[in-house]
Amino acid sequence: NAGVTQTPKFQVLKTGQSMTLQCAQDMNHEYMSWYRQDPGMGLRLIHYSVGAGITDQGEVPNGYNVSRSTTEDFPLRLLSAAPSQTSVYFCASSYGRGREQYFGPGTRLTVT
Amino acid sequence: GENVEQHPSTLSVQEGDSAVIKCTYSDSASNYFPWYKQELGKGPQLIIDIRSNVGEKKDQRIAVTLNKTAKHFSLHITETQPEDSAVYFCAASMGGGSQGNLIFGKGTKLSVKP
Repeated sequence: NAGVTQTPKFQVLKTGQSMTLQCAQDMNHEYMSWYRQDPGMGLRLIHYSVGAGITDQGEVPNGYNVSRSTTEDFPLRLLSAAPSQTSVYFCASSYGRGREQYFGPGTRLTVT
Repeated sequence: GENVEQHPSTLSVQEGDSAVIKCTYSDSASNYFPWYKQELGKGPQLIIDIRSNVGEKKDQRIAVTLNKTAKHFSLHITETQPEDSAVYFCAASMGGGSQGNLIFGKGTKLSVKP
């Protein structure tokens, strides 16, 4: 199993540009989530999904969209990038809420 | 809102010594408390977790204790080794409509000096 994979590993965007961060898992996990990690702030939940076709907002959802058309994939879209979205983004998956979460390797995003 | 406080933010120990990291949480409905280790440039990895019906759990050199009355839980690492150097995060599950989602502490950077 590849586990949780994320692409790209690094990305630089200009303010106002849009992009999609990809996340995929091959463990047949129902629950998937996106976090951002900023220095001294820990991990903060952006959006999550409890199954295909179901998504919901986390702690810091503004400026981000998600969709879950399949069990395997959970892309995160930045509609109009802002410098405040410079961060490291982690995707995670688990069999369900309140279960062990497996994290991907992260995407380091810089918005200039 | 719900909150998880983690202390200390940095911890330096000599190889072979013990390390203790403490967390407090605010949501009385929290019932799942995982600890994650993050090495430089990698994603967090679960090292141990505990549920609210258990007071202590051990796995070799790592142990976690939970005091539900006081709403705090701690990570204990004994006989530390240089490879234990990393950032450690505690987390607590939320209750209510967000039940099961995790709130993370801000992390503890552990340095083990040989």
